[in-house]
Amino acid sequence: AQSVAQPEDQVNVAEGNPLTVKCTYSVSGNPYLFWYVQYPNRGLQFLLKYITGDNLVKGSYGFEAEFNKSQTSFHLKKPSALVSDSALYFCAVRVKAAGNKLTFGGGTRVLVKP
Amino acid sequence: DAEITQSPRHKITETGRQVTLACHQTWNHNNMFWYRQDLGHGLRLIHYSYGVQDTNKGEVSDGYSVSRSNTEDLPLTLESAASSQTSVYFCASSESGASGAETQYFGPGTRLLVL
Repeated sequence: AQSVAQPEDQVNVAEGNPLTVKCTYSVSGNPYLFWYVQYPNRGLQFLLKYITGDNLVKGSYGFEAEFNKSQTSFHLKKPSALVSDSALYFCAVRVKAAGNKLTFGGGTRVLVKP
Repeated sequence: DAEITQSPRHKITETGRQVTLACHQTWNHNNMFWYRQDLGHGLRLIHYSYGVQDTNKGEVSDGYSVSRSNTEDLPLTLESAASSQTSVYFCASSESGASGAETQYFGPGTRLLVL
């Protein structure tokens, strides 16, 4: 069975500082990894995904994520956080053999303080 | 622009009542999904469909049903609402493809309260 862990319930960061949201996964086979963001009272918005190739993936709103196969991690990063980045972030994994079903982590709340 | 919509956005019902939540997408996607979001659990898959007349159970399907009569719609029915089904429900859709890396796009959610 596939699973995703987001070890931090909340991350606090000052505006302008680097932001990192951690994600580790457990799958059998090659993973497809996704990051979504959820703003209050809104649906999930797609940020980026890793399929294959370059381990550093760039996405929307200046976010990027690094796939690390040996550490089974896919951490989300942003070099300089904005107050508007305050939201709930979800990591998700899919394995091709499991069809199109996504397994989500529990989410990490990011609070960026001015 | 293509989109995915859900209705109603908020619903209050009583235990034992049947409730149907609507999901409509104009992406022309074959794949559609229903999730519930609860504190501490992230999103959990309820049911999914890979095309018309196709439906499948997810990890938390008890007490829920879906039907797929056309490409655009996947209504979710709570047969007899229970307080444990108080949650936020999200519908999603994606293209079908051989790679398995297709992105799912989410609707705005329906907040359901079962009293």
